[in-house]
Amino acid sequence: SAVISQKPSRDICQRGTSLTIQCQVDSQVTMMFWYRQQPGQSLTLIATANQGSEATYESGFVIDKFPISRPNLTFSTLTVSNMSPEDSSIYLCSVEGANTEAFFGQGTRLTVV
Amino acid sequence: DAKTTQPPSMDCAEGRAANLPCNHSTISGNEYVYWYRQIHSQGPQYIIHGLKNNETNEMASLIITEDRKSSTLILPHATLRDTAVYYCIVLYQGGSEKLVFGKGTKLTVNP
Repeated sequence: SAVISQKPSRDICQRGTSLTIQCQVDSQVTMMFWYRQQPGQSLTLIATANQGSEATYESGFVIDKFPISRPNLTFSTLTVSNMSPEDSSIYLCSVEGANTEAFFGQGTRLTVV
Repeated sequence: DAKTTQPPSMDCAEGRAANLPCNHSTISGNEYVYWYRQIHSQGPQYIIHGLKNNETNEMASLIITEDRKSSTLILPHATLRDTAVYYCIVLYQGGSEKLVFGKGTKLTVNP
């Protein structure tokens, strides 16, 4: 199994500011995934991050709003830029395990005021 | 869009078996059925997956119908800690396909 650490676990931010969320994995992985979970909703994939290449964004998500870094095989960051209250969500990092199952971090609970 | 249909909620008595159904009538021959659960305020947790044979692990059993159009996740002796949202997902292994979460089933285990 993979152990994923996300920081911060929660934050309250002012509108118009940006927050960078960190995701650290205890083993090297090829792909890392970022999800958003809006209040009372299911998970929605934001983007897939491969080391050494640009992230691939899903429909409805753009790099200017959610820039992603993937500097090595164990780490990634997601930035939520120019935040508005509609960005209040839980943001989750995920990786694929050896048996194709997915492992998730505990999430970052973001509140924008 | 999610390729599965699940009831929005179910209740189960503590100590009894919880049987969670999932319909995936458009599943293709090389797609697997995966189950995850999300306990409140935590990230999703992998439970089990299978292709066409029934599977069992320390957490649960997965029963897939012969035509593969539906499946049932069985928690043999539900506890209060099994209260969670359970997601059934179909996924092709080996490609770049990504997990697509539907709304899942909110299972409440009652004392």
